[in-house]
Amino acid sequence: EAGVTQSPTHLIKTRGQQATLRCSPISGHTSVYWYQQALGLGLQFLLWYDEGEERNRGNFPPRFSGRQFPNYSSELNVNALELEDSALYLCASSLRVVKNIQYFGAGTRLSVL
Amino acid sequence: GIQVEQSPPDLILQEGANSTLRCNFSDSVNNLQWFHQNPWGQLINLFYIPSGTKQNGRLSATTVATERYSLLYISSSQTTDSGVYFCAVKSGAGSYQLTFGKGTKLSVIP
Repeated sequence: EAGVTQSPTHLIKTRGQQATLRCSPISGHTSVYWYQQALGLGLQFLLWYDEGEERNRGNFPPRFSGRQFPNYSSELNVNALELEDSALYLCASSLRVVKNIQYFGAGTRLSVL
Repeated sequence: GIQVEQSPPDLILQEGANSTLRCNFSDSVNNLQWFHQNPWGQLINLFYIPSGTKQNGRLSATTVATERYSLLYISSSQTTDSGVYFCAVKSGAGSYQLTFGKGTKLSVIP
């Protein structure tokens, strides 16, 4: 069974551009989570999607947005890129149950020049 | 929100040694996971352990939910155990995202 897949593996953008990151969850999982791991800041929760709806978001500006498609895959969009957006972006998926286990993809490394 | 503290922040071991990593959390949890982040950045699931004790080969984990801490034991460490170990928790019924500790960076030297 395929795990969580993310694309692209690496992404290089310049300041002010937009970035789009993609995530496919494990088959049967309806929840997708996005986390940012920036140097020195640890892993921080960005967004949670379930059944096509945004269910919760972390303490990030509105230029971080996304969506979930009917097949439960998800996109993370980052507009007006800033240098400090350079980070590893990790996607996880789970069933939507209280005692959920989250499984992570390999991540997309975004570099903003 | 819930606070997660991991200790020690850094650990250097000789190959074959044993180690204990600790995770303290500030509120009751209904999900606690331990992860190993490999050099390429991927988070590998080690344990889902909101309470009790589990073992998987050379690794074991114990969570004492009433005292709000979890321990990860690594026995007979190998160089491939090197990396960062994260504890992550979820508390409450309404929010499903994980809150991560800052991790323990483990270096196993031959």
